[in-house]
Amino acid sequence: DGGITQSPKYLFRKEGQNVTLSCEQNLNHDAMYWYRQDPGQGLRLIYYSQIVNDFQKGDIAEGYSVSREKKESFPLTVTSAQKNPTAFYLCASSFSGTGGTEAFFGQGTRLTVV
Amino acid sequence: ILNVEQSPQSLHVQEGDSTNFTCSFPSSNFYALHWYRWETAKSPEALFVMTLNGDEKKKGRISATLNTKEGYSYLYIKGSQPEDSATYLCAPNLIFTGNQFYFGTGTSLTVIP
Repeated sequence: DGGITQSPKYLFRKEGQNVTLSCEQNLNHDAMYWYRQDPGQGLRLIYYSQIVNDFQKGDIAEGYSVSREKKESFPLTVTSAQKNPTAFYLCASSFSGTGGTEAFFGQGTRLTVV
Repeated sequence: ILNVEQSPQSLHVQEGDSTNFTCSFPSSNFYALHWYRWETAKSPEALFVMTLNGDEKKKGRISATLNTKEGYSYLYIKGSQPEDSATYLCAPNLIFTGNQFYFGTGTSLTVIP
C-alpha cells in the first residue's frame, strides 16, 4: 500500500539534545513538507522540499534542519536551538507543480522535551 | 506568511443538524483551494480541491463552494452525523506559493448524538 510513514509516534528527549524525526513516502511524490502544531493553533510550515537535494524554509524554520538526499525521505532534526520544541509534528507529501494537487499526510510524531 | 482565516473556531451541533463554516484567503494570485478533514488520532485527509470561481463540489452529505473574487469558501454538512466530528482545515494555493500548503487554524466540529 502506498503511503507516508512517520516514526516514532511518540518521542521523549531531554532538553539540549538534538532529535531527528523520520518521514518516508512511497507515493513517488516530488514535494515533501514538515508542519508543527501547537495546542489551539493551526499547522505551521517548518520546511518544504520540491525536489531531491533542495529545500526551503517555511515560516518557523529557526531551530530546525532538514535534508532531502532521497526522494522518499525527508527527515527533520529538532536542534537544541529550538526554544520550544515540545509539539506535534506532521509530515506531508504531494506532487510538485503550480498547485491544485492534494497533500497526503503521515500520522504525526508527538515530541516531548523534558 | 499567508493570512488564512477559518470560522468559527469550534462548533457543537446535534445529530441531524446541518452546518456550515467559512474559509477566507487572499483573493489575488489565487490558484486552488483545498479542504481537509482531520479526525482525532488519524491523518488529515483531502476532501476537495477547488480551482474555479463558482465551483461547487460534493461528497455525500458534504459540499463546498468557492468564491475566488472575494476570497472565501464555504463548507456545508447536511444532516450531521457523529462520524463527521473532526477538524476541518482549508489551505489555498496561490500562484506565487506554488503547491505549498498554508493552512488555516481549522474549525473543530463536534456532533452530539
